[in-house]
Amino acid sequence: AQSVTQLGSHVSVSEGALVLLRCNYSSSVPPYLFWYVQYPNQGLQLLLKYTSAATLVKGINGFEAEFKKSETSFHLTKPSAHMSDAAEYFCAVSRGGAAGNKLTFGGGTRVLVKP
Amino acid sequence: DAGVIQSPRHEVTEMGQEVTLRCKPISGHNSLFWYRQTMMRGLELLIYFNNNVPIDDSGMPEDRFSAKMPNASFSTLKIQPSEPRDSAVYFCASSFNLGDGYTFGSGTRLTVV
Repeated sequence: AQSVTQLGSHVSVSEGALVLLRCNYSSSVPPYLFWYVQYPNQGLQLLLKYTSAATLVKGINGFEAEFKKSETSFHLTKPSAHMSDAAEYFCAVSRGGAAGNKLTFGGGTRVLVKP
Repeated sequence: DAGVIQSPRHEVTEMGQEVTLRCKPISGHNSLFWYRQTMMRGLELLIYFNNNVPIDDSGMPEDRFSAKMPNASFSTLKIQPSEPRDSAVYFCASSFNLGDGYTFGSGTRLTVV
């Protein structure tokens, strides 16, 4: 079975500082990997995705993530945090095949941005 | 495209009552998913459909929960009878293929008192 671990349920960063959210996955085959963002009282929005093309993936709002197979990681970064980045972020994985379109989500990391 | 549309946005009901949540997926998407989100348990997949057929309902918590997808443009999640512990935000999501990920609706916040 596949699983996703997000280290840290809460992260606090200062405005302008680096944002780093960690995600590790377990999958027996090369996975599809996603990051979603959830703003208060809203649904989840796709930030970026890895689907076996370039290992460094750029998404919306200045976020990017790097797929590292040797570390089974897909960490999300943004060089300079903005107040509007305060939200909850979810990493998700699927391996396709028999799993079909089914995604497994991590527990989420809530980001607080301090002025 | 208007995205995934869920109704109602908010529902407050008394324990024991039947609750029906509705979802209209994006036109052309062939997979539909129902999730429940709570502070304690995070995001839980309840059930998903592919081409209107239920594929995996192992996340449905109890027989009180049921879901249907009578056609490609409509799905319902029903709770009968409802209990206070069912209070949560319920999300519907749809997808065309795995590489595109999911598109989520805005959710239905259910409160059972």
